[in-house]
Amino acid sequence: ETGVTQTPRHLVMGMTNKKSLKCEQHLGHNAMYWYKQSAKKPLELMFVYNFKEQTENNSVPSRFSPECPNSSHLFLHLHTLQPEDSALYLCASSPLGQGGNQPQHFGDGTRLSIL
Amino acid sequence: GENVEQHPSTLSVQEGDSAVIKCTYSDSASNYFPWYKQELGKGPQLIIDIRSNVGEKKDQRIAVTLNKTAKHFSLHITETQPEDSAVYFCAASREAGTALIFGKGTTLSVSS
Repeated sequence: ETGVTQTPRHLVMGMTNKKSLKCEQHLGHNAMYWYKQSAKKPLELMFVYNFKEQTENNSVPSRFSPECPNSSHLFLHLHTLQPEDSALYLCASSPLGQGGNQPQHFGDGTRLSIL
Repeated sequence: GENVEQHPSTLSVQEGDSAVIKCTYSDSASNYFPWYKQELGKGPQLIIDIRSNVGEKKDQRIAVTLNKTAKHFSLHITETQPEDSAVYFCAASREAGTALIFGKGTTLSVSS
């Protein structure tokens, strides 16, 4: 149990579908992140939310739409995805505050397959 | 922007041997360097981290060293065990609440 829970664990969808990925953290953190992990590529940051406000968008296509209703929950809304969007999507959270960088804790990811 | 290079991409050792994974970074403003272990079907799990004001940190069989001048840091695993087999990632970042920039990973195989 990592303290960061992602659902669903696996998702298969067609290119015209709309679905959402959910992340919930039980660690009392106030920063949350979406990363994409593709085969043979480094983990890539997609979005960062600090205190529910988006602070980074790493040039992510608009077919990915994040939502952070509170510091414990993070969503990634998906629509009209492409086959190259098939990947493992990882959510992470970390504290923010004094003392500089704090560790990011990851969930186990959602394995997304686009047909 | 920051770029993190990680070597080797694969590493095979015998149980009981030591394993060393090396990373270099490009952004001299980076000040936080975590290492993650990822097992099949799981997310990355933090195993050790080091900040730029420290040169070395040890936690049981795992140690990390940092050379700020050369901009490289290394993970050392001693007395390896089969359960150490996994993919290991190094990362770097500049400040809290910002992206971790990851290396491409090292697949470590420990054979008994």
